[in-house]
Amino acid sequence: AQSVTQPDIHITVSEGASLELRCNYSYGATPYLFWYVQSPGQGLQLLLKYFSGDTLVQGIKGFEAEFKRSQSSFNLRKPSVHWSDAAEYFCAVGGDTNAGKSTFGDGTTLTVKP
Amino acid sequence: KAGVTQTPRYLIKTRGQQVTLSCSPISGHRSVSWYQQTPGQGLQFLFEYFSETQRNKGNFPGRFSGRQFSNSRSEMNVSTLELGDSALYLCASSLEGRGYEQYFGPGTRLTVT
Repeated sequence: AQSVTQPDIHITVSEGASLELRCNYSYGATPYLFWYVQSPGQGLQLLLKYFSGDTLVQGIKGFEAEFKRSQSSFNLRKPSVHWSDAAEYFCAVGGDTNAGKSTFGDGTTLTVKP
Repeated sequence: KAGVTQTPRYLIKTRGQQVTLSCSPISGHRSVSWYQQTPGQGLQFLFEYFSETQRNKGNFPGRFSGRQFSNSRSEMNVSTLELGDSALYLCASSLEGRGYEQYFGPGTRLTVT
């Protein structure tokens, strides 16, 4: 069975500070990993994805994530947070053995202090 | 390319009624998945359609059903609505569905009274 854990329900950072959101996954085969962002009342926007290859992946809006197989982790980072980054962030795992299904974590809500 | 569109965006229904939600995927995408999002349960997978066939299904009762048309547009139907069906229903499309990234629509907010 596949699962995703996001240990932090809520994180508050100051504008301009660095950010790291944690994600741990469980998947029996080669995982495909994703980070999405959701603003209130909106759908999910894909920030970045990892399929294979370089374990450090770059995404939109200045985000990056690092895949660590040994730790079953895929943490999201941003060097300098902007007030517009305040939203809910979801980590998800999918794979070619489970058609059309991504399993999502419970999300981390990011608050940005001025 | 236009993104995933969902209609209607908001819906209010009464217990016992049924509802149909619509999703138009990104042009060229053949896989459409549906998710239910609630504060208590988070994002839960309902089902996935590819080339008009349901390929995968989540753990929801039979009151939840769907279909996909030849142009890849998809509908989901919920019959005999219950209060607990109140949720944001999200549709996501992808090129093929197996492991590819999914692109989400804005969702349909369903309120059951």
